[in-house]
Amino acid sequence: DIQMTQSPSSLSASVGDRVTITCRASQSISSYLNWYQQKPGKAPKLLIYAASSLQSGVPSRFSGSGSGTDFTLTVSSLQPEDFATYYCQQSHSTPRTFGQGTKVEIK
Amino acid sequence: QVQLQESGPGLVKPSQTLSLTCTVSGGSISSGGHYWSWIRQHPGKGLEWIGYIYYSGNTYYNPSLKSRVTISVDTSKNQFSLRLSSVTAADTAVYYCVREQSIVASDIFDSWGQGSLVTVSS
Repeated sequence: DIQMTQSPSSLSASVGDRVTITCRASQSISSYLNWYQQKPGKAPKLLIYAASSLQSGVPSRFSGSGSGTDFTLTVSSLQPEDFATYYCQQSHSTPRTFGQGTKVEIK
Repeated sequence: QVQLQESGPGLVKPSQTLSLTCTVSGGSISSGGHYWSWIRQHPGKGLEWIGYIYYSGNTYYNPSLKSRVTISVDTSKNQFSLRLSSVTAADTAVYYCVREQSIVASDIFDSWGQGSLVTVSS
């Protein structure tokens, strides 16, 4: 199985801050990397696919980068509705695997 | 816009079999091009992929659960189902049914059910 490791596990930030979350795969996954946002009591929502492509309807303050084993999700200016948990997920091979999540909290 | 809805018992006794069904609306399971998945989330924890099925009946299961999992499809009802046998408290989780779609350069979980909490307890 491909292991996905996110860092940090949690972070505190203020509205307007630039936030960066990293995700590392245990082996190369090319660009088969997706990012999801999950709010309490809700299903995850796709934000970024293929490492850097913005899903339709997702605000442009979200961006993704990376390839191979190292990836980044960036929120350029954090908004109140962005406080949530973020997960990376590899679609390079089965079983599909997720990172452990990064919880973004209000400072 | 496809929609998915889980249904099934919210409480299962230890050693019994957990059974959930996902009803798909707004699109046909038989149209092809998608994999129909189950993903679970233990309380306060991360996401675990259980497995998927194609409309033809082809399946792939997470090796960590393979010995206990069966995913089936009923195209006439536009439903797919999960059975997890010999459950323990460690199987207590929110279970999501999810559509996986193949697009350029990736496969994505683009449509999710609302989730169904299943508690394993006597």
